[in-house]
Amino acid sequence: GQQLNQSPQSMFIQEGEDVSMNCTSSSIFNTWLWYKQDPGEGPVLLIALYKAGELTSNGRLTAQFGITRKDSFLNISASIPSDVGIYFCAGQLRGGSQGNLIFGKGTKLSVKP
Amino acid sequence: SQTIHQWPATLVQPVGSPLSLECTVEGTSNPNLYWYRQAAGRGLQLLFYSVGIGQISSEVPQNLSASRPQDRQFILSSKKLLLSDSGFYLCAWSVRAIETYEQYFGPGTRLTVT
Repeated sequence: GQQLNQSPQSMFIQEGEDVSMNCTSSSIFNTWLWYKQDPGEGPVLLIALYKAGELTSNGRLTAQFGITRKDSFLNISASIPSDVGIYFCAGQLRGGSQGNLIFGKGTKLSVKP
Repeated sequence: SQTIHQWPATLVQPVGSPLSLECTVEGTSNPNLYWYRQAAGRGLQLLFYSVGIGQISSEVPQNLSASRPQDRQFILSSKKLLLSDSGFYLCAWSVRAIETYEQYFGPGTRLTVT
């Protein structure tokens, strides 16, 4: 089946640092979504992107829909402790069934020891 | 505003026992509904989705089934649980509209099969 390659798999953050993560695919997507999941809870939608090249912010979070429609990036500026969790990208494949999102495997953010 | 509920929050069941997980959505009508399973805190696997009452599509052949007896109610069931059914089960909803893909997740049910 179709896959999204999400990287990095995990990373450690220190308060105040900027964080970047991305999702790539060999297929074209109509939509990119970014979610955050805290332990034991359901994912929460952070940002939705619908147009190639679109750059959208939500507070300290900024996400971009890649020009090729095959990738997306999420940046977190000036990270704070509550940013820890797992971040998932999800995409609606062009020509795919309505509502059948494909999810990346997640990027786990932890605090530097 | 819309809210989505799942229950129970946690469940421990022996192998071979039946299962029924419930999901309800409030504050919207005619939603698309989804069941996902998440293993080991990663990777959401779509199990079933529904575009209306009685309309269920299965994504993965398995030991589970789903039903939608009411517009805003989605139920995940099994007649006999397997050890491999353990995991975190998430229900989600989306607006039923063309080119609207945002899905909103419930709090999840942690299922442990012993």
